[in-house]
Amino acid sequence: EPEVTQTPSHQVTQMGQEVILRCVPISNHLYFYWYRQILGQKVEFLVSFYNNEISEKSEIFDDQFSVERPDGSNFTLKIRSTKLEDSAMYFCASRDTGDYGYTFGSGTRLTVV
Amino acid sequence: AQTVTQSQPEMSVQEAETVTLSCTYDTSENNYYLFWYKQPPSRQMILVIRQEAYKQQNATENRFSVNFQKAAKSFSLKISDSQLGDTAMYFCAFMKHEGYGGATNKLIFGTGTLLAVQP
Repeated sequence: EPEVTQTPSHQVTQMGQEVILRCVPISNHLYFYWYRQILGQKVEFLVSFYNNEISEKSEIFDDQFSVERPDGSNFTLKIRSTKLEDSAMYFCASRDTGDYGYTFGSGTRLTVV
Repeated sequence: AQTVTQSQPEMSVQEAETVTLSCTYDTSENNYYLFWYKQPPSRQMILVIRQEAYKQQNATENRFSVNFQKAAKSFSLKISDSQLGDTAMYFCAFMKHEGYGGATNKLIFGTGTLLAVQP
């Protein structure tokens, strides 16, 4: 069964540092997403990406965040200057045209200290 | 804006018994999808079952079934013959139908129900 792969599984970073979270979506999928889950809270939409551009972003996705699909296979989320409140589980997801069921990756736990 | 409410933060069920998890949602849309996702201790989000709002028939997937009441905006999940591996957080989620070419189709999640299956 095809999978969405996320790396690393856990990252610890100093406040103010830049982090890049990496995702490899399923190869024939065209729609890509990042979601965030702060510990003990609900899963929140961050951004959707299609046709090499952001199609929608939430209020959480401010200027500190960016996404990129640099090489046709990877899909990255960059946080330029991390804050303590960025500590969360970050999920990447992808889906195919005509299929509304996402496939989620196993997540990256980001800890900002 | 759409909202999803799960009023049961935690539930417990004995192995082999049946349990129902509740979900209500609020929307002015007529065309949408509803989902139940399972998040076990490994934290991965796993799709359990989905329901298209235009379909009157309730979706079923093996031991999992839903009771979709569109007028009441209710979408409950029934797990039959509960197994220890069903222990997980269960999230109800809503997606507005934007068409097959819709570029977003984002999910809106409820706060989750933590289900514990007891041996």
